[in-house]
Amino acid sequence: KAGVTQTPRYLIKTRGQQVTLSCSPISGHRSVSWYQQTPGQGLQFLFEYFSETQRNKGNFPGRFSGRQFSNSRSEMNVSTLELGDSALYLCASSLGHGSGMNTEAFFGQGTRLTVV
Amino acid sequence: KQEVTQIPAALSVPEGENLVLNCSFTDSAIYNLQWFRQDPGKGLTSLLLIQSSQREQTSGRLNASLDKSSGRSTLYIAASQPGDSATYLCAVKNNAGNMLTFGGGTRLMVKP
Repeated sequence: KAGVTQTPRYLIKTRGQQVTLSCSPISGHRSVSWYQQTPGQGLQFLFEYFSETQRNKGNFPGRFSGRQFSNSRSEMNVSTLELGDSALYLCASSLGHGSGMNTEAFFGQGTRLTVV
Repeated sequence: KQEVTQIPAALSVPEGENLVLNCSFTDSAIYNLQWFRQDPGKGLTSLLLIQSSQREQTSGRLNASLDKSSGRSTLYIAASQPGDSATYLCAVKNNAGNMLTFGGGTRLMVKP
């Protein structure tokens, strides 16, 4: 059974550019969440999508956006990149949305974004 | 606002030791708590998920306990091995959404 797939694995971008990251969840999983991991702030929640709808949003500026497609694949976009956006971006996949065991989160390998 | 703390931040032990990692959270109204392992530069591997109604979960040499009322969880690793060296993270889910709040992690090194 394939795990969570994130592409690309590594990216180098210049300040002011925009970037799109992709996440394919485990087959059958309908919830995708995105996190930013930095040495200073640790893991911080960006947003969650379930059934193509954003269900939760973390405390990030509007430059960070996302979407989910009908096949549950998700993309996140960061516009007008800043040096501080350099981080490991992780995607988590869950079967369901709610309070049960089907909300266990499974993570991808991440996309390492470097902004220069 | 939920805050999650993990102590110690780093731990070094000789191979074969049993060890305990600690996780505390400020808001006890959680749905579940999950323990993860992260190797350098890699993603997170789910180790154990404990529902709010459960007291513990076991998987192989790992045992996680949850005391929701006191806002604490522990991860017990038996007979540690060098391959256990990694950063261990705990995360709590507070509402019906799937947002997780993470602790800062414990970096474990098991020396041969």
